[in-house]
Amino acid sequence: KAGVTQTPRYLIKTRGQQVTLSCSPISGHRSVSWYQQTPGQGLQFLFEYFSETQRNKGNFPGRFSGRQFSNSRSEMNVSTLELGDSALYLCASREEGGSYNEQFFGPGTRLTVL
Amino acid sequence: GNSVTQMEGPVTLSEEAFLTINCTYTATGYPSLFWYVQYPGEGLQLLLKATKADDKGSNKGFEATYRKETTSFHLEKGSVQVSDSAVYFCGGGTSYGKLTFGQGTILTVHP
Repeated sequence: KAGVTQTPRYLIKTRGQQVTLSCSPISGHRSVSWYQQTPGQGLQFLFEYFSETQRNKGNFPGRFSGRQFSNSRSEMNVSTLELGDSALYLCASREEGGSYNEQFFGPGTRLTVL
Repeated sequence: GNSVTQMEGPVTLSEEAFLTINCTYTATGYPSLFWYVQYPGEGLQLLLKATKADDKGSNKGFEATYRKETTSFHLEKGSVQVSDSAVYFCGGGTSYGKLTFGQGTILTVHP
């Protein structure tokens, strides 16, 4: 099976703009989670989608939003970008059921806000 | 809420040295625990996992045991290689698609 894919891999934006990142999960995985990775804060959970519904949410402002489509692909959107939004954004997919909470990560999208 | 405390490092070792990276967790309930590894420019790769007390996860010479009494999941390897140089993350989750991670430990192995 193909792994988790994320597009684009790199993005450069300026303050005040908005950005949309895309994630395609492993085939058959219906849960998609998003994380922000920064040197100062480490890996922080943004939100999780399952069957097109947000099921879990981290402590991020409303500028960060997401959605999931019927084919389980997910997008996250950040509006009114700030310098502090510069980070590696990681998407992870998970197979529902089973005894593990194992997630499979994509390579990430590196966002730079100037 | 859940939290993971991980030895931050950085850790610098010579090839064939013994590695330990400490990880302790605080959680409501009994989380599944994971070690992930991140190589430069890449996402996270699952290294090993454990879902209940006394479970031992192992992969590529790395091991970690889920210790409920000490709430720990320390990563060990008996003989590290240069190719093990990477950032290691300890993480835990109790439900659905949310994992809580430690700050990460940078490991550098010299020949």
